[in-house]
Amino acid sequence: IAGITQAPTSQILAAGRRMTLRCTQDMRHNAMYWYRQDLGLGLRLIHYSNTAGTTGKGEVPDGYSVSRANTDDFPLTLASAVPSQTSVYFCASSRLAGAVDTQYFGPGTRLTVL
Amino acid sequence: DAKTTQPTSMDCAEGRAANLPCNHSTISGNEYVYWYRQIHSQGPQYIIHGLKNNETNEMASLIITEDRKSSTLILPHATLRDTAVYYCIVRVEVYSSASKIIFGSGTRLSIRP
Repeated sequence: IAGITQAPTSQILAAGRRMTLRCTQDMRHNAMYWYRQDLGLGLRLIHYSNTAGTTGKGEVPDGYSVSRANTDDFPLTLASAVPSQTSVYFCASSRLAGAVDTQYFGPGTRLTVL
Repeated sequence: DAKTTQPTSMDCAEGRAANLPCNHSTISGNEYVYWYRQIHSQGPQYIIHGLKNNETNEMASLIITEDRKSSTLILPHATLRDTAVYYCIVRVEVYSSASKIIFGSGTRLSIRP
């Protein structure tokens, strides 16, 4: 069982370009999450999805969009990347949404926007 | 609003117990206390969680004060591999579309040989 996979591992992107970060889980978890991590700011929630077909905004949703067409995949899209979106992005999932349940995190994607 | 306060950094000798405090004075009655850690360059890893009672698992123990305004994570025999940033998180248990988990800035724990 792979758990959660993220792709790419790292990416350098020109400002203004569109980019989709991929996240796939094979645990049949209902809920999935996207976080960004920046030095001194800890982990901040961007978007989440409690079940396939639904999404919600986290702390810092501006400039990002997500979709949840099926249970396994939860891509994060930057429509027009800006340098302030340079960060490490983590995808996570949990079996249930909102309940007392453990979140499992992927290995992360390091994104640099120039 | 992370709803938790933790020391920025701590250190502990290898083999000793590491005690990491967390203040969550505004915690609500239905909010759980979760602890995660993040080893350098890896994704966060779940450690333990609790509501009112003290909890123990193979990784750690969680001591929650009676008024639930603070808690302590205890790593009983710290090793060098426990060097990480430890996050104390208060989350709301809901069963609707509103489910948000807020990470604070955490405590950087250094284990010295």
